[in-house]
Amino acid sequence: EAGVTQSPTHLIKTRGQQATLRCSPISGHTSVYWYQQALGLGLQFLLWYDEGEERNRGNFPPRFSGRQFPNYSSELNVNALELEDSALYLCASSTTKGTGGPGNEQFFGPGTRLTVL
Amino acid sequence: AQSVTQLGSHVSVSEGALVLLRCNYSSSVPPYLFWYVQYPNQGLQLLLKYTSAATLVKGINGFEAEFKKSETSFHLTKPSAHMSDAAEYFCAVTHGSSASKIIFGSGTRLSIRP
Repeated sequence: EAGVTQSPTHLIKTRGQQATLRCSPISGHTSVYWYQQALGLGLQFLLWYDEGEERNRGNFPPRFSGRQFPNYSSELNVNALELEDSALYLCASSTTKGTGGPGNEQFFGPGTRLTVL
Repeated sequence: AQSVTQLGSHVSVSEGALVLLRCNYSSSVPPYLFWYVQYPNQGLQLLLKYTSAATLVKGINGFEAEFKKSETSFHLTKPSAHMSDAAEYFCAVTHGSSASKIIFGSGTRLSIRP
């Protein structure tokens, strides 16, 4: 069974540009989560999508946005890039909330390393 | 409200020594608890999870964790550290059946001395 995949592996942009990151969840998973992992700051929750809808977002400005497609894959868009947006962006997926028994964990992809120059 | 605290952002042990990574949680309802590991430049991988069955949970790579309700703790241990255990470890807590409410700790970086 294929795991969560993310593309690209690395992305280099300059300040002010836009970045688009992509994530494909595990087959059968309908929820996708995005996290930012900046150096020394741990995992910061960005966004949660389920069934095509944004269900929750973390404490990030509106220039961080995304969407989930009918096949449950997802995009994260970061507009007007700033130097501090440089980080590893992790995507995770899980089964639909409320199913599958207790303690449904999130399954993580390998991440996209975004560097803003 | 739930929260999780990992004591010690960096732990260093000698190869062959006991590994102990501390995690304390706060939850108003019975929690489900997880330990994830992140190797350099990779995503997070589930090590083990507690879902109210046995309080001692065995995971991959020889790790185990014990749920202690009285101490609100879920510490991760391994009897003998290996160089390949060097990584970042994250404790996480949720309740109910929804993965969407997982709260992650700030992480502990484990270093192994030869």
